[in-house]
Amino acid sequence: AQSVTQLDSQVPVFEEAPVELRCNYSSSVSVYLFWYVQYPNQGLQLLLKYLSGSTLVESINGFEAEFNKSQTSFHLRKPSVHISDTAEYFCAPNAGNNRKLIWGLGTSLAVNP
Amino acid sequence: ETGVTQSPTHLIKTRGQQVTLRCSSQSGHNTVSWYQQALGQGPQFIFQYYREEENGRGNFPPRFSGLQFPNYSSELNVNALELDDSALYLCASSFKAGGGIEQFFGPGTRLTVL
Repeated sequence: AQSVTQLDSQVPVFEEAPVELRCNYSSSVSVYLFWYVQYPNQGLQLLLKYLSGSTLVESINGFEAEFNKSQTSFHLRKPSVHISDTAEYFCAPNAGNNRKLIWGLGTSLAVNP
Repeated sequence: ETGVTQSPTHLIKTRGQQVTLRCSSQSGHNTVSWYQQALGQGPQFIFQYYREEENGRGNFPPRFSGLQFPNYSSELNVNALELDDSALYLCASSFKAGGGIEQFFGPGTRLTVL
């Protein structure tokens, strides 16, 4: 069975500080990996994805994530956060024969001035 | 190219009633997935439709049912509403069933059951 664990339910951080949101998954098959972001009172938006190739993937707003196969992790990082980054972040591996997304419980990132 | 749209935006029902939520998939997409997101929780997979056929179902009772139409739009029907059905219902479309293709989400329908 596949599963995903987001190790931090809440991450408070000051503006311009670095942040890391942790995600570990378990799967007996190869996976594709996604990070989605949900801003307050909005739907889910794709932040970045790993399908194949380079293990370091980047988004247009400064986030990056690195696929680590040996540690089965896909942690999300940003070197300097903004208040506008305040949102819920979901790690979602996509694995198995039917390739369904498996959702973590989410990490609430609160950026304070 | 239009994105995924959902209607209505908000809905208030009472226990025992029935509700239909609608989703229009992104142009060119043939797969629709439905999720329930309770307040403060992650999305829970309800079911997926691929080319008008159910293509997988999560741990939801039969009173949650769906349809996909030839134009790949979709409906989620919930019968005999319960208070715990109050949630944000998200629809996501993708190009084909599974295959690691990313899903594009609509803004959701906020259902409140009183």
